[in-house]
Amino acid sequence: DIQMTQSPSSLSASVGDRVTITCQASQDISNYLNWYQQKPGKAPKVLIYDASNLETGVPSRFSGSGSGTDFTFTISSLQPEDIATYYCQRYNNLPPYTSPYSFGQGTKLEIK
Amino acid sequence: EVQLVESGGGLAQPGGSLRLSCAASGFTFSTYSMNWVRQAPGKGLEWLSYISSSSSSIYYAESVKGRFTISRDNAKNSLYLQMNSLRAEDTAVYYCARKAYYGEKFDFWGQGTLVTVSS
Repeated sequence: DIQMTQSPSSLSASVGDRVTITCQASQDISNYLNWYQQKPGKAPKVLIYDASNLETGVPSRFSGSGSGTDFTFTISSLQPEDIATYYCQRYNNLPPYTSPYSFGQGTKLEIK
Repeated sequence: EVQLVESGGGLAQPGGSLRLSCAASGFTFSTYSMNWVRQAPGKGLEWLSYISSSSSSIYYAESVKGRFTISRDNAKNSLYLQMNSLRAEDTAVYYCARKAYYGEKFDFWGQGTLVTVSS
């Protein structure tokens, strides 16, 4: 099974800072990676799909990059409303579909 | 407006059963694949199960395989999760999530329903 390692598990940054979160796959997953934001008490929301595509309506300060095994999620200028937990999600759209989806462990982002 | 509303959560005893429902509206439910995802208190997201639009393809996470059963009724615009042999570690908020028509992102989520397994 493909393992996803997300880091850091928590992060404290100041408003205006550039924030970077990484997700590493245990084997090549091409660009089969999404990023979600979850605010406390709320359902997750997709921000980035297929590693680098910005979901409609999501601010352009959010971006994603990477392919193969190493992926990066970036907030170019942290805003107070970005306080949330962020998750990567890998997917598998090729057989065998034994476990087509899994999430990273999450990164809790706080304001310094 | 797309809406997904889960129901059926509550308190269950270890070894017991619960059936969760997810009522969909605002889109053509029968054309979308759906998923169940859960989140234990203070923990991360865990994908549980997938069902294709016609129910022809179904997948489960190893943690629930053989205990949980996903199903759907396209005539009723509803998704279900039958949970048997419940364990304390199944305590979580359970979300239904729609898979995008194109691609693999989960583009809409319900608000979640809390399942507590305790004696």
